[in-house]
Amino acid sequence: GESVGLHLPTLSVQEGDNSIINCAYSNSASDYFIWYKQESGKGPQFIIDIRSNMDKRQGQRVTVLLNKTVKHLSLQIAATQPGDSAVYFCADRGGADGLTFGKGTHLIIQP
Amino acid sequence: DAGVIQSPRHEVTEMGQEVTLRCKPISGHDYLFWYRQTMMRGLELLIYFNNNVPIDDSGMPEDRFSAKMPNASFSTLKIQPSEPRDSAVYFCASSGPLASGRLLDTQYFGPGTRLTVL
Repeated sequence: GESVGLHLPTLSVQEGDNSIINCAYSNSASDYFIWYKQESGKGPQFIIDIRSNMDKRQGQRVTVLLNKTVKHLSLQIAATQPGDSAVYFCADRGGADGLTFGKGTHLIIQP
Repeated sequence: DAGVIQSPRHEVTEMGQEVTLRCKPISGHDYLFWYRQTMMRGLELLIYFNNNVPIDDSGMPEDRFSAKMPNASFSTLKIQPSEPRDSAVYFCASSGPLASGRLLDTQYFGPGTRLTVL
């Protein structure tokens, strides 16, 4: 079946550098995408979302880019900090109200 | 607001026992979701409610799982009888009227219940 997936399970970056986490989706009916951050022992926490009629959306230190042509979603984190260490999930909503989550990317910040 | 509240935070039980997980959504939210998270399968949607009514339970693994929402401030997920393969972290999430800055209803997750079935 169709699903949301992530390219890399682990991403290691230097503190202060920018991070880019990628996500591929296959459901052409998906009209809403969301990024969550999950720290160890906690529930997923909302980061940023984007609708399918948008290409880019910016938040505080984060930017989400959507390329509908290749069904690709990315999360950019500027000036990565130690507190950004977590697992990042992309998810999509393909018409129903529930979200379909990818497996997650573990972001590791090197000092 | 206290956010989504789940109890217990940890549950250890023996195979065959009944397990009940509890959730209190954020006040004013009209959607409630139950998810299960494992290393192998990631986050899976089990069931969700709208205005206390179950809308989609297609993610519930089997008849051993059941969920109820007797009122707008409380929901339970029950497993009877429990099996070792049910071991996972179970999350409850809620969403409601559009919040400032959000495009659509954002789901707010609780801290989860870590279930271990021996």
